[in-house]
This record gives sequence, structure tokens and C-alpha cells, in this order.
Amino acid sequence: GAVVSQHPSRVICKSGTSVKIECRSLDFQATTMFWYRQFPKQSLMLMATSNEGSKATYEQGVEKDKFLINHASLTLSTLTVTSAHPEDSSFYICSARVPGVTPYGYTFGSGTRLTVV
Amino acid sequence: DAKTTQPPSMDCAEGRAANLPCNHSTISGNEYVYWYRQIHSQGPQYIIHGLKNNETNEMASLIITEDRKSSTLILPHATLRDTAVYYCIVRFNDYKLSFGAGTTVTVRA
Repeated sequence: GAVVSQHPSRVICKSGTSVKIECRSLDFQATTMFWYRQFPKQSLMLMATSNEGSKATYEQGVEKDKFLINHASLTLSTLTVTSAHPEDSSFYICSARVPGVTPYGYTFGSGTRLTVV
Repeated sequence: DAKTTQPPSMDCAEGRAANLPCNHSTISGNEYVYWYRQIHSQGPQYIIHGLKNNETNEMASLIITEDRKSSTLILPHATLRDTAVYYCIVRFNDYKLSFGAGTTVTVRA
């Protein structure tokens, strides 16, 4: 149980275009989801926290207008990279807090490899 | 959240136990110790967590020292598929997981 599906697994886009990444909780309701970014040979860096029905909370240094997060339902959060540039190329990973367990459990999507050309 | 210190890398032989250390000397009384691992180009995978007592599940064992300032993750019989980056994370029962550099574990045949 507690599976998070992330789509697409990899995407190549042209510079200046926007890309949407979806993160779905398949068998539970996720009131809180998280978005991470990971550059090659580096650790995961938390970008933002999204709560269903409210605005996302962004970590310091993350541009909210560039990385649009929408968490409109209890099973879906989306990250849109707007006007993507080559420096946005990275591995993006979503995570969801699993309800009903103490302490909180977290499950992760399989990641999206974004390449901006 | 308390900061953790892990060795950057370690090798272990297939079939042998792998002992991964983690220092968290500034841990507070109600912070949990979590271990996750990340196989190349995949999302992190939960391994185990603990508060004070040692814990064991089908994947690993977690040994926490009595003063809680350090812990060790034990993979009892390492296989080639255990090659991954292992992250030790200390946090409150809050809502954010912050990842450090982790330990790159390479299991060799």
C-alpha cells in the first residue's frame, strides 16, 4: 500500500516551454505532498510543500512563479516548470505523507528526469 | 532538525553484513531516526525508523545507542541490489524530510 505514481518518468522539452509533472497517490488520500529536485551526484533538495486546497509553501530560494504547484485534490499534486531553461534540467521527485501512521510515514514517486534543450 | 553525519562511501562484500553508521549528537528527545535509500535514478525507499529502541524489519535492523547520539543501520546479508545511497535522517514527527549527503554503499561480488 501507500503508493505514489509520478508521471512522466522522463521528458525532454525545448527552452522556453512549460512542463507539467504529475504526482498521484494511488491508494490513500494525501493531504500533504512534497516536491524535491536532485542534480547529478547531489542529494535531494526540498523545493516546496503542497497542502490540498491551499497555496504551496516554497523553500527559500525557490521561485514560486517558475515552479507552479497545484494540489487541487487529495490524490493529485502537479508541478509545472514554466519557461524552462537548460539549468532547470534535473531529477524531480514527489513525496506524500502517508496518513494513519505515527510517526508520519513518507512515500516517494519514482521521479521525473527533465532535460531542457 | 538535528544534523546527521555519515561516511561518504563504503564497500561491502555480497552476502556479508553491512553496517552503516550515523552520528546525530544534537538529536533531541522526541526526534525520530529514519533511514531511506535511493537506488540510482529512482525515488527514495523507506527502510526503517526508530525513536529509542532497536528496531528490526524484513529489510534491516536499526541500532540506536543509549544516549541516542548515534545509530547504525545493519543490512544482514548484503546483495548486489543493495547498492544505493543510504540516507540517515533525524526529525520531529513533523512534516518535512530533509536529506543530507548520505552514504554511497557499493556491494561487490
